[in-house]
Amino acid sequence: DQQVKQNSPSLSVQEGRISILNCDYTNSMFDYFLWYKKYPAEGPTFLISISSIKDKNEDGRFTVFLNKSAKHLSLHIVPSQPGDSAVYFCAASAPGGSTLGRLYFGRGTQLTVWP
Amino acid sequence: GAGVSQSPRYKVAKRGQDVALRCDPISGHVSLFWYQQALGQGPEFLTYFQNEAQLDKSGLPSDRFFAERPEGSVSTLKIQRTQQEDSAVYLCASSLGGTGINSPLHFGNGTRLTVT
Repeated sequence: DQQVKQNSPSLSVQEGRISILNCDYTNSMFDYFLWYKKYPAEGPTFLISISSIKDKNEDGRFTVFLNKSAKHLSLHIVPSQPGDSAVYFCAASAPGGSTLGRLYFGRGTQLTVWP
Repeated sequence: GAGVSQSPRYKVAKRGQDVALRCDPISGHVSLFWYQQALGQGPEFLTYFQNEAQLDKSGLPSDRFFAERPEGSVSTLKIQRTQQEDSAVYLCASSLGGTGINSPLHFGNGTRLTVT
């Protein structure tokens, strides 16, 4: 059963506008969340992360918001650029124990930014 | 190079053949992970090494899958008697230590395995 869910397989946004990618999770033990970006024929590239002790983390045009009570996080890209077109994966991990070192990924959202 | 290197990039195997996939992690990275990504899915965890120790192999789908990292650097994922359902992209990732906030995973470009 998917513990990390990205319910929108695709998103299309005009250049310069905001892109909002959403992610939901079911495991309340998750304490660290990441977004990865993937271009075709390449491996995922780390984009931004957030610890569960925060509700927002910002890095340039990218901001991740975490709502623990709703088990929901989102990635905002402002302003969107054509080079942002890629598949975005949400991922989560839990502290230590049997899940040490393991990331749980969503299925990804294909973002297309058009001029 | 500075990144995680995987070889081969593409592998076609006939059903029943054995395959070996290689991963060269970033120099100095203690942790190494293997993930399997089926078409249209996110990466799924297979196994995790800290140096040469395999600390978690709970994601390996069957006993046909075997991974090793004998000297704590290069790792090999071996699949015996390949089946069509093994067709996927196999991703290797490394990090300085675990997957904590100071140790994001760095992925290689993957090996696309097609079993015919």
